[in-house]
Order: sequence, then C-alpha cells, then structure tokens
Amino acid sequence: DIQMTQSPSSLSASVGDRVTITCRASQGIRNDLGWYQQKPGKAPKRLIYAASSLQSGVPSRFSGSGSGTEFTLTISSLQPEDFATYYCLQHNSYPHSFGQGTKLEMK
Amino acid sequence: EVQLVESGGGLVQPGGSLRLSCAASGFTLSSYWMHWVRQAPGKGLVWVSRINSDASSTNYADSVKGRFTISRDNAKNMLYLQMKSLRAEDTAVYFCVRGVLDYWGQGTLVTVSS
Repeated sequence: DIQMTQSPSSLSASVGDRVTITCRASQGIRNDLGWYQQKPGKAPKRLIYAASSLQSGVPSRFSGSGSGTEFTLTISSLQPEDFATYYCLQHNSYPHSFGQGTKLEMK
Repeated sequence: EVQLVESGGGLVQPGGSLRLSCAASGFTLSSYWMHWVRQAPGKGLVWVSRINSDASSTNYADSVKGRFTISRDNAKNMLYLQMKSLRAEDTAVYFCVRGVLDYWGQGTLVTVSS
C-alpha cells in the first residue's frame, strides 16, 4: 500500500502570506494526485487534479506541482476564506490514500 | 448540476448492519466509477471502496474488506454501501464520491454504539 506523508500537520499564517504544503508518497505515483480543501462540517472540495491542474472555478492563487513521490500545494496570497484543512490524495493504486491533513489557521 | 445525496446513516449497535444509499443526478452515473470515503469525527479522510462503471470490479480498504459491499443500480442512478458486522471504529461521516474524486456528496453520519 502507498503511504502519503503530508506536512506540516498545522500551519499558522496571515492574510497575504504565501503558504506551501507538501505530500510525499512512499512510492512513485506519477502525477495521480489531487489536493482538497475542507471546511468544518462540509464535504471536501477538489482544488487541484493531476498534481498541477487547477480545478475549474478555483482561484488562480492555488497551484500544485510535483510528480513521482514529492508534491506541493502553494497558496500564493492567503485570503480569509482559505483558512481550512487541506488533504492530498493519491489515486494511482488501490487502496487510494490521503495525507493526514494540514490545518491552516489564522495567525 | 452534479449532485450526490447520501442517506441511510444513523445509530446502530455493534455487530449490526446498515445500508447507505447515494442518489446521483446531473450526470450519467453509468459512465463513472464511484467511491465511498469516510471521516471519523475530528479525524482525516479515509478511502473505503470503489466500484467500476458496470459493477464488474470492486476494491476495498483492508479495514472493511469482508464486511462492506459496494454496489450500484445505474438504471436508478443509485450507489450503495452495505455495511455488516459494524464496529465502533466504523463511526464516521460517509461520503459518496464521483469517478476521479471530483464531486462529493455532503455525507451521512453512521454512529456505531450500544
């Protein structure tokens, strides 16, 4: 099974900051990775697919990069609505697996 | 508009059974693989199961293999998750998720407790 190690587990930042979240896969997953945002009591929302493609309707301040085993999600300039929990998901093989999550909190 | 609406959650005793349903609309269900993902209270997301378009192939997380069965009825635009021998650790919100894990339902809460 593929393990996804996401870091950091929590992050304090301010509006306007640039933020980067990392996911490492225990083996190569090509670009079969998505990034999701989840707010309390809500379903996750996909931000990025195929590691670096922006989901339609998602602001361009969100970007993804990486391939193989190392991936990053970057928010270029944090907005108030971006404070949430973020997850990566590998769908290269079964069982699919999520990172542990990164809780992004306001400093 | 793509919509996925889960139902069937509730309180069940350990060892009991429950069937979750997911009503799909706004797209052709028969064209998509479908998944169930769960989230225990205050915890992260965990992938549970997947079924292909014509129900000829399924996959399960080890934690539910042999106890949960995923199925679908494309004619009724419905996805199901039959859960048996439920344990306290199965307590979670269960999400129905489309194909490439793009659209998610709002989830249904399953609580396993005596």
